[in-house]
Parts: sequence; structure tokens; C-alpha cells
Amino acid sequence: EIVLTQSPGTLSLSPGERATLSCRASQSFNSNYLAWYQQKVGQAPSLVIYGASSRATGIPDRFSGSGSGTDFTLTITRLEPEDFAVYYCQHYGGFSWTFGQGTKVEIK
Amino acid sequence: EVQLVESGGGLVQPGGSLRLACAASGFTFSTYHMTWVRQGPGKGLEWVAYISSARSIIYYAASVKGRFTISRDNDVNSLYLQMNSLRDDDTAVYYCARAPPWSYWYFDLWGRGTLVTVSS
Repeated sequence: EIVLTQSPGTLSLSPGERATLSCRASQSFNSNYLAWYQQKVGQAPSLVIYGASSRATGIPDRFSGSGSGTDFTLTITRLEPEDFAVYYCQHYGGFSWTFGQGTKVEIK
Repeated sequence: EVQLVESGGGLVQPGGSLRLACAASGFTFSTYHMTWVRQGPGKGLEWVAYISSARSIIYYAASVKGRFTISRDNDVNSLYLQMNSLRDDDTAVYYCARAPPWSYWYFDLWGRGTLVTVSS
């Protein structure tokens, strides 16, 4: 089973700054099977990126995903107040779906 | 409105049973694959179970296999999770989520969740 490790655990930034979130896999896999989710406090997760780099419906273009093999990145170019949340990467493989432990993006 | 609404959560003793339901609306439920994902208190997300659109393919996480059963009724646009032999570590918010017909490897719509507490 592939393990996803996200870093950093917490990212303290100010609105307008750039956020770079990392998701590293224990084994290489097809980037089609990598997604990112946003979860705000007290809310359900929502899809941000699928296929490593495709934005979900309604996601603004300040969000972008990249990477391949074992290293994937979610970038938010200019943080808006509504972007402060926890972000999870997720992988599908071997008839199971696994999530990283999450990166919290908090207001500095 | 396109939405998923979970119900059936509550307080149950260890060893007990509970049946969760997820009502879908606003989209053609029978064409989407469905899944349950849970989140323990203060913890991250954990996939629990998956069922394909036609109910022909079912997968479970190792932590629940043999205790939980996922099912769906496409006639009433509903997803279910029968949970038996519940343990303390099953305490979590349980979310239902859908996967698109063309790509079952990510989840594009989530419900708000229902809380299951296992405690004596």
C-alpha cells in the first residue's frame, strides 16, 4: 500500500502570499490517480485538483497542481482569506483509496 | 440542488450496530460510484468502503472488512453503510461521497457527514 506524506504539517502565511504544499508517495504511481481536497473548519472536504493538475469545477486559477512519480505539489499563488484550511492529497491504487495526513494553511 | 445528505449517526455501545444512510439528489445517482470516508476526532480522512454504480464491485478498507457492509438502492437514490461489531476506534464523522462515472479514483461531491460515537 502506498503511503502519502504531506509537508509541512502547518503553513503559516499571510493573505496574498504564495502557498506551496507537498505530497510525497512511498512508491511511484500514475499521476492520474492523485487528487487534492480542501477542508474548512466544521465542513466536509471538497475537491480542488484531480489527475494531479486539473482543477475541479469552480476552483479559481490561483490553485494549481503539479508533479509526477512520487512528488506532487499544490500551489496557491495568492492566498485569499477563504483559502485558509486543511488540504489533503489522495491516491487510488490496489482497490483502495488513501489520504495524506493533511497540511494546515493558517493565517500568520 | 446537487447534494448528498447523510443520516443515522448516533451513540452506540461497543459491539453494537448502526446503519447509516446517504440520500442523493440533483443528479443521476445510478450512474455514479459511491463511497464512505470517515474522520476520527481531530484526525485525517480514512476511506472506508466503495460501491460501483451498478453494485457489481465493492471494496472495503482492511479496518472494517467483515464488520461493515456497503449497499445502495438506485431506485430511491440512496447509499447505505451497515456497521456491526462497532469498536471505540470507529468513532468518527462518516461522509458519503460520489466518484464520477468516468473516474472512480477521486470524489467530486461530499455530504456534510454524520457523527458516530462508540462508547459505553
